[in-house]
Amino acid sequence: DVQMTQSPSTLSASVGDRVTITCRASQRISTWLAWYQMKPGRAPKLLIYKASILESGVPPRFSGGASGTEFTLTISSLQPDDVATYYCQQYDSDWTFGQGTKVEIK
Amino acid sequence: QITLKESGPALVKPTQTLTLTCTLSGLSLNTTGVGVGWIRQPPGKALEWLALVYWDDAKRYSPSLESRLTITRDTSKNQVVLAVTNMDPVDTATYYCAHRDPTDCFDVWGQGTMVAVSS
Repeated sequence: DVQMTQSPSTLSASVGDRVTITCRASQRISTWLAWYQMKPGRAPKLLIYKASILESGVPPRFSGGASGTEFTLTISSLQPDDVATYYCQQYDSDWTFGQGTKVEIK
Repeated sequence: QITLKESGPALVKPTQTLTLTCTLSGLSLNTTGVGVGWIRQPPGKALEWLALVYWDDAKRYSPSLESRLTITRDTSKNQVVLAVTNMDPVDTATYYCAHRDPTDCFDVWGQGTMVAVSS
């Protein structure tokens, strides 16, 4: 099984800050990595796939990066609407999610 | 526009079998490349992928739960059904179905259905 280790578990930042969430895979998964946004009471939303490709309609302040088995989700300028929990997911071998990062406004 | 809607019981007793239905709209289960998966989220915990069925009836299961899961499709109703046997309170969760897109991600999700396991 591919394990995904996501950090931090909680992130508190100010509006306008640049924030980065990291996800590390237990083995090489190429760039088969997606990021999802979850808000309470709403269906998860696909933000990024293939590590860095923005899903249609997602604001360009979101971006994804990859280096070996380490992946990042960056929000260039945090907005109040970005308060949510973010999950990474590998899909190289079945599907495995990270533990999630809760993003809050300071 | 693709939409998915989960349905099933809100409460089951320990040892019972849970049966959940996902109704797909806007896309036929017979369409080449289509896949529908089930994912769950226990309260306060992370998402966990459970199972997926493809347009050609191929199936994949989470290795840790495979012995308890059965996923089937009913193309006449455009529905995907997940059965989970021997339910336990640790299986209390919101269960989601989702469309697997050609990139192998889940691009459209249902709203989820909350299932509690309690006697």
